[in-house]
Amino acid sequence: NAGVTQTPKFQVLKTGQSMTLQCAQDMNHEYMSWYRQDPGMGLRLIHYSVGAGITDQGEVPNGYNVSRSTTEDFPLRLLSAAPSQTSVYFCASSFRGGEAFFGQGTRLTVV
Amino acid sequence: GDSVTQMEGPVTLSEEAFLTINCTYTATGYPSLFWYVQYPGEGLQLLLKATKADDKGSNKGFEATYRKETTSFHLEKGSVQVSDSAVYFCALGEDNTDKLIFGTGTRLQVFP
Repeated sequence: NAGVTQTPKFQVLKTGQSMTLQCAQDMNHEYMSWYRQDPGMGLRLIHYSVGAGITDQGEVPNGYNVSRSTTEDFPLRLLSAAPSQTSVYFCASSFRGGEAFFGQGTRLTVV
Repeated sequence: GDSVTQMEGPVTLSEEAFLTINCTYTATGYPSLFWYVQYPGEGLQLLLKATKADDKGSNKGFEATYRKETTSFHLEKGSVQVSDSAVYFCALGEDNTDKLIFGTGTRLQVFP
């Protein structure tokens, strides 16, 4: 079982560049979310989706966009990268009220 | 809003020692509580969960009891192993949503 697949695993961007972090799940989960992990901060919710066509903001949404055109995919877009967005990004999916499954993470460095 | 507070690490133990990692929460409604574990270079995976007051979650020798009166969900293990070295996250599942609110994580280092 693939579970939750994130690509790429590592990325270096220059300030001002844009990019898309990909996330796909094959478990038919309704709920998908993006978190960033920073030292001493735990995981903070960026955006989430409760189903195809429905997205909402989490705790730290500024500088990020998402869309959910299919149940399987939930890409995260960085519009204009900033050094403050250097972090490890995790995508997760779950059924409503169920266990969250996480991807392996994307380590992003913005220089 | 809802929040989770867990003890800062790192926690350093010798093999076979007793482990406690404290976690307290603030929430409205009736949240579910979780412990997730992150091994080096990997994503998070569920360790155990409890969905209502007085429930005890357990897995791989770890256990935690949902204490509504003290708003706590402390993680315990009677005898840790080197392979338990990881970062442990306490999390709260908001009532009526699927949002997970995480604590800051506690790094556990177990030495032989």
